[in-house]
Amino acid sequence: TQLLEQSPQFLSIQEGENLTVYCNSSSVFSSLQWYRQEPGEGPVLLVTVVTGGEVKKLKRLTFQFGDARKDSSLHITAAQPGDTGLYLCAGEDSNYQLIWGAGTKLIIKP
Amino acid sequence: GAVVSQHPSWVICKSGTSVKIECRSLDFQATTMFWYRQFPKQSLMLMATSNEGSKATYEQGVEKDKFLINHASLTLSTLTVTSAHPEDSSFYICSPTRGEGKNIQYFGAGTRLSVL
Repeated sequence: TQLLEQSPQFLSIQEGENLTVYCNSSSVFSSLQWYRQEPGEGPVLLVTVVTGGEVKKLKRLTFQFGDARKDSSLHITAAQPGDTGLYLCAGEDSNYQLIWGAGTKLIIKP
Repeated sequence: GAVVSQHPSWVICKSGTSVKIECRSLDFQATTMFWYRQFPKQSLMLMATSNEGSKATYEQGVEKDKFLINHASLTLSTLTVTSAHPEDSSFYICSPTRGEGKNIQYFGAGTRLSVL
């Protein structure tokens, strides 16, 4: 069974600080997706990384896919209160199913 | 992006009653539908996978007779929680996919079920 370990599970920091969320696995994924979910809503796709070593940027968010396609990270620069939410990573396995991380609850304090 | 309609968004019911949740893909044909359950502060847990016109495949630990899934058309799937109990209270999310092979999943807004 493929597992995707996401850390930290909870993070509370001050506005302006930087942070990194990690997703790690012993398995290779075809792609890895990052989602953000607000309370009471479904997850919203932020980005999909496909190629080993790929880096994608979305304003202050930087996503990286490991060279071996087993891990990924999300880095937020100068976090703002609007970044508060639940961040989820999900790896796509060889059967096109998504394997979900446990999620990171992020709180940015003004 | 693709439009997914899931309703109701919130339902409260008495223990022992059944609740039906609908999920529609409004502008694409969903060949596969995933149904997830999410408990507070936790990630999404896959309950079942269904393909249009065939029986759903349930994940281990998910009772197929309790969570009835119907995927009668390429744009509509329903999840019925039968004889609901308080422990079934959760956030249920549908996720239709489009395209053959490549998994392009979209997500409904979710249904908050509270069983009294």
